[in-house]
Order: sequence, then C-alpha cells, then structure tokens
Amino acid sequence: DAKTTQPNSMESNEEEPVHLPCNHSTISGTDYIHWYRQLPSQGPEYVIHGLTSNVNNRMASLAIAEDRKSSTLILHRATLRDAAVYYCILRDYDKVIFGPGTSLSVIP
Amino acid sequence: DSGVTQTPKHLITATGQRVTLRCSPRSGDLSVYWYQQSLDQGLQFLIQYYNGEERAKGNILERFSAQQFPDLHSELNLSSLELGDSALYFCASSVTGGRTDTQYFGPGTRLTVL
Repeated sequence: DAKTTQPNSMESNEEEPVHLPCNHSTISGTDYIHWYRQLPSQGPEYVIHGLTSNVNNRMASLAIAEDRKSSTLILHRATLRDAAVYYCILRDYDKVIFGPGTSLSVIP
Repeated sequence: DSGVTQTPKHLITATGQRVTLRCSPRSGDLSVYWYQQSLDQGLQFLIQYYNGEERAKGNILERFSAQQFPDLHSELNLSSLELGDSALYFCASSVTGGRTDTQYFGPGTRLTVL
C-alpha cells in the first residue's frame, strides 16, 4: 500500500520561507497529492493539491518532483498563524492515505 | 467554522459498550468521510459515503459501521468498545467525493473508553 513519510518537526523564523518535504516513493499514477494542516484543537483544513505540475494558490505553493516520488509544500512567508501540523496525503478514488505529519513551529 | 457539525463533542464510556457519533455535512455537500485520529496511529481514513451509498472503505474495523441517511447526515457506530478505540473521530464532507475535492472537516468527537 502507498505511504508517505514526513519529518516529525520543523522550525522557521517568522516571515521566512518554509519548505516542508514529503516522500511518497510508492505513489501510483492516479494518486493526487494533497496537503492539509491542523491547527491546535481543530480539524484539518485544506492547503493545496496537485497531480504532476507545480501548483500555486493564495496559501502556498506545491512543488512535485518529476518522478512524483516526492513533493514539497512551500509557505512563502511564515507567520505565527502558520504554526500547525502539516499533512501530506495521497488520494485516489478508493483511498485517502495520511502521512504522519510535520509539526511546524514559527519563531517570532 | 467549516460548516460541518459533529455531536457529541465528548463521549466517555466503558469497554464493551456501543456508541453512535453523528455528523451533519456542509449544505450542498453530498459526500461524507469518517476518520480516526489517535496518538499511535495518526489520522486514518475509515469510510466514505456519497449520496447515501458507501463509496470507499479504509481501515474500518468490523466492530464499526456507518451509514448516510437521505437527509445526508451520517452516523458512525462503534460497538464492543475497547480501550484502544479511544481517539478523536473526525467527519469531513465534500461536494462530489472526487479525488480532487476539498474536504471540510468538523471539530471532531473525542471518545474516551474506560
């Protein structure tokens, strides 16, 4: 079964860019890569998703490796409100596989 | 506020008992998902419904069952509860249930089994 691996934790200074990596070496050709984040005491919330091409939205950018075995979520300027657990997720028609999550701390 | 509601917020029960968790999706969303979040297993997908029909099944135990009703609300039934079932249970909803859909998560139900 496909799985994702992520670093347990990362730190960033406020207003600096943050690159959150995810490895998914067993990804299948039809899996979409999604990223969600979970703020303390809340349910996860959507950040971004992609299939093969890099994606940008108002929250973040997603860089997907050419072989799709890894991806990187990029927060362009970290704020204190970005402190959360970030999950890399593989989704297909019949599955949703969450990674272990990376706990991001933002230092003022 | 995601628009997804879950009740109850907290539930404390004993081993061997049965409980029902309830979820109301966002207005207009046809698909509902259930997840379990525990310290040792992380977030795990349990099951998905679309417009009343089961669409996908994840790591849902045989002691657990779910359904989605005609008004689109969903219930997750957990029976013969064990200590290891203590966890946060999330419901999420999305418009079509497709693999590119954004899922909107509720606040969760915290289940404690004593």
